[in-house]
Amino acid sequence: GAVVSQHPSRVICKSGTSVKIECRSLDFQATTMFWYRQFPKKSLMLMATSNEGSKATYEQGVEKDKFLINHASLTLSTLTVTSAHPEDSSFYICSAREEERGTETQYFGPGTRLLVL
Amino acid sequence: QKEVEQDPGPLSVPEGAIVSLNCTYSNSAFQYFMWYRQYSRKGPELLMYTYSSGNKEDGRFTAQVDKSSKYISLFIRDSQPSDSATYLCAMSVNSGYALNFGKGTSLLVTP
Repeated sequence: GAVVSQHPSRVICKSGTSVKIECRSLDFQATTMFWYRQFPKKSLMLMATSNEGSKATYEQGVEKDKFLINHASLTLSTLTVTSAHPEDSSFYICSAREEERGTETQYFGPGTRLLVL
Repeated sequence: QKEVEQDPGPLSVPEGAIVSLNCTYSNSAFQYFMWYRQYSRKGPELLMYTYSSGNKEDGRFTAQVDKSSKYISLFIRDSQPSDSATYLCAMSVNSGYALNFGKGTSLLVTP
């Protein structure tokens, strides 16, 4: 149980275009989802906390106009990288907070590898 | 000082060895402690979840938390080549909220 999916798993795009990444909790509802970014051989860096039905909370240094987050339902959060540039190339991972089974921990998606040319 | 410190390794052990992975932290408010395993190019997978101090065992894995020393450990018994991965410790003040991750320790178990 506690499965989180992400789509797409990999995306290559041209500089200046926008890319949308979806994060879904498949067998539980998640009022809170998190978006992380991970560089090669580095730990996960929290970008933002996404709450269903409200605005996301961004970490210091993360541009909210560049990384648009929408948490429209209890099972879906989306991250849109707007006007992507090569420096946005990274591994983006979401997690969903599971509250129904009493552990209230986070389960991670498989990640989305973004390459901006 | 980074809130969570973890030796990145790499750590190489022969198959069957006992592996000890550790993290230290500075924020005494952390109460929830987790270990995640991450294979290359995959998302982290939750291995162990513990609250406050103490030990927790699950199969070949044992997690220990010593809040007085601000030190947590993950032990892997009878290590297998399939255990080769990066192991990330994570912790939070409140359950299910934003996690503070260590850098991860790269483990290689050789046949």
